[in-house]
Amino acid sequence: GQNIDQPTEMTATEGAIVQINCTYQTSGFNGLFWYQQHAGEAPTFLSYNVLDGLEEKGRFSSFLSRSKGYSYLLLKELQMKDSASYLCAALDSNYQLIWGAGTKLIIKP
Amino acid sequence: DGGITQSPKYLFRKEGQNVTLSCEQNLNHDAMYWYRQDPGQGLRLIYYSQIVNDFQKGDIAEGYSVSREKKESFPLTVTSAQKNPTAFYLCASSKLAGAGTDTQYFGPGTRLTVL
Repeated sequence: GQNIDQPTEMTATEGAIVQINCTYQTSGFNGLFWYQQHAGEAPTFLSYNVLDGLEEKGRFSSFLSRSKGYSYLLLKELQMKDSASYLCAALDSNYQLIWGAGTKLIIKP
Repeated sequence: DGGITQSPKYLFRKEGQNVTLSCEQNLNHDAMYWYRQDPGQGLRLIYYSQIVNDFQKGDIAEGYSVSREKKESFPLTVTSAQKNPTAFYLCASSKLAGAGTDTQYFGPGTRLTVL
C-alpha cells in the first residue's frame, strides 16, 4: 500500500531551527510537496522536490533522498507565526497526491 | 485577484439532507479536486476533474457527487448516503493535470457539521 509517515507533533523555540521528517512509500514517484496549514485554514504551498538534494527558499529548505524514500523540511530562525501543521505529500505514478497526516509544530517563546 | 473561493465557510445540516458545497476558481486551471480532512488524518481525495464535463472518483467517493459544467466551477454535493459527513472540505485546482511539477492550490475550505 501507499503510505506517508511524519511525526504527529513537534515543539521548538522561537529563533531556533527545526527539522520535520517525512518518509514515503508510493507506487512510483513523481515528486514530493510540502505545505503549511494554519489551524482552520487551507494548506499553502511551500516546496516541491523531484531530484535528490536540498532546495533552499528563504528561511525554509526542503531535502529529498529518492533512494531512501525520505524528505525533510528545515525551518530556520523560527518565528511565532510558523506555528502550524506541515503536510508532506508524495506524487505517485498516476500523478495522484498521497498525503501524510501532518506534523503540528508548536513554537514557544 | 486570482484565486479559489469556497462557500460557505461554515455549514450546518440536518441528518438525511443533501447539501452542495461551492468551489470557484479564476486561475484558468484545468484540473480541480475535492478533499476531505479529518483530525489526525491526511487529506483524502473525494473526486477530481481534469477537464470540463469529465470527473473521476477518488479514494472516498461514496456518498458524494460532483459536476464540472464550467471550467471555473466544481461543486460537491454531500448526499444523505454519506455515513459520516462532518468534516473540513477543501477544494483545490492545478494548471495541468498529470504534470509532475503541477502544484495544487487550495480554497479556504468549508467546515460541514451534521446535527
